[in-house]
Amino acid sequence: GAVVSQHPSWVICKSGTSVKIECRSLDFQATTMFWYRQFPKQSLMLMATSNEGSKATYEQGVEKDKFLINHASLTLSTLTVTSAHPEDSSFYICSAQSTGGGYSPLHFGNGTRLTVT
Amino acid sequence: KQEVTQIPAALSVPEGENLVLNCSFTDSAIYNLQWFRQDPGKGLTSLLLIQSSQREQTSGRLNASLDKSSGRSTLYIAASQPGDSATYLCAVRRPGAQKLVFGQGTRLTINP
Repeated sequence: GAVVSQHPSWVICKSGTSVKIECRSLDFQATTMFWYRQFPKQSLMLMATSNEGSKATYEQGVEKDKFLINHASLTLSTLTVTSAHPEDSSFYICSAQSTGGGYSPLHFGNGTRLTVT
Repeated sequence: KQEVTQIPAALSVPEGENLVLNCSFTDSAIYNLQWFRQDPGKGLTSLLLIQSSQREQTSGRLNASLDKSSGRSTLYIAASQPGDSATYLCAVRRPGAQKLVFGQGTRLTINP
């Protein structure tokens, strides 16, 4: 089946530093990738939608200058949390949509646990 | 605005029982509905995808139904096993939109 690889699976960083999270579709091409944030025991909150070769679309309330998204190829999207603060600590999950569009299910990575100290 | 609700929030049953998880959505104009499983600290695993024109989908011991007009979907798990313990999420996509709207999930525990 379709596999989405997310790296790193966990990261601890100091306040003020930046962290990059990678999301790769390993066996299919993904024209669209999604970045979610999940707080403990809560559902997923969509942060942004990234389309290959174009700027990401951010959800209301998500700071685009803080959460930089790059989708440079059909198999890779990155999320960079800039100048991270403790309140950015969360579980970040990416998902990918194959080029089959809406008839194709979304496939999710295993998530990245970010802890900002 | 589409809202997705899952009831109950948590469910604990003995091993071997058949069970049903519920998902309701406020706007019946959906493109498809997807059921996911999430293990603690992990991402989501897609279980079943039902297109708006379909009534149900089956995969092994899992069966998902969709009643678009009433805004409901159910996930039926037959002969439950401890390995089925996880949080189950449903999500809907509306026509013309790329993103999914998720429910809060049902945390399922199967007791040996």
